[in-house]
Amino acid sequence: AQKITQTQPGMFVQEKEAVTLDCTYDTSDPSYGLFWYKQPSSGEMIFLIYQGSYDQQNATEGRYSLNFQKARKSANLVISASQLGDSAMYFCAMREGNDYKLSFGAGTTVTVRA
Amino acid sequence: NAGVTQTPKFRILKIGQSMTLQCTQDMNHNYMYWYRQDPGMGLKLIYYSVGAGITDKGEVPNGYNVSRSTTEDFPLRLELAAPSQTSVYFCASTRRGGSNNEQFFGPGTRLTVL
Repeated sequence: AQKITQTQPGMFVQEKEAVTLDCTYDTSDPSYGLFWYKQPSSGEMIFLIYQGSYDQQNATEGRYSLNFQKARKSANLVISASQLGDSAMYFCAMREGNDYKLSFGAGTTVTVRA
Repeated sequence: NAGVTQTPKFRILKIGQSMTLQCTQDMNHNYMYWYRQDPGMGLKLIYYSVGAGITDKGEVPNGYNVSRSTTEDFPLRLELAAPSQTSVYFCASTRRGGSNNEQFFGPGTRLTVL
């Protein structure tokens, strides 16, 4: 079974608007972590934000926030005030267990329009 | 700190050839990983290591081998290259303990097998 599901292959967003990227996960481990990474066209993987399963508050990092709904097993990324430089592929990933392996979703391509 | 470095950046192999992808990190991280990313897809774990002398298989280990003789280095060996191994290969590392355990990624090696 898929551990991470990202159902939006591609999205368009107008500059300065907010965009929400969906991510649902599947695990029976009570201790896990959820990550979002950005991959621009240059190919590198850039860490954006992290949410631990026991964290009470939703994570925020600048213009990035994570909408964590534990009962629904969802961890959606919200990018506020989109910029042209936000155009990239975005991956949701989950860490389980003590070896810190990551399982990645298929990704969502975001294109920001001027 | 250079972070995670990978060599080479690009390589073209003929079917049946062998090669080693090099990965080095200078952050004294215990945990290291090799992922592959096929076009338009998420990353899949090939092999990982939780410390020098310890390696384990990930989701897609067939056709690959690894070794971890030092904390810093985690080379990935391809024996008898096949077209199905055409992919971008990422090495990553993270520290043990703490709450975030963000994985730091190298810039990737783009491999084509013809």
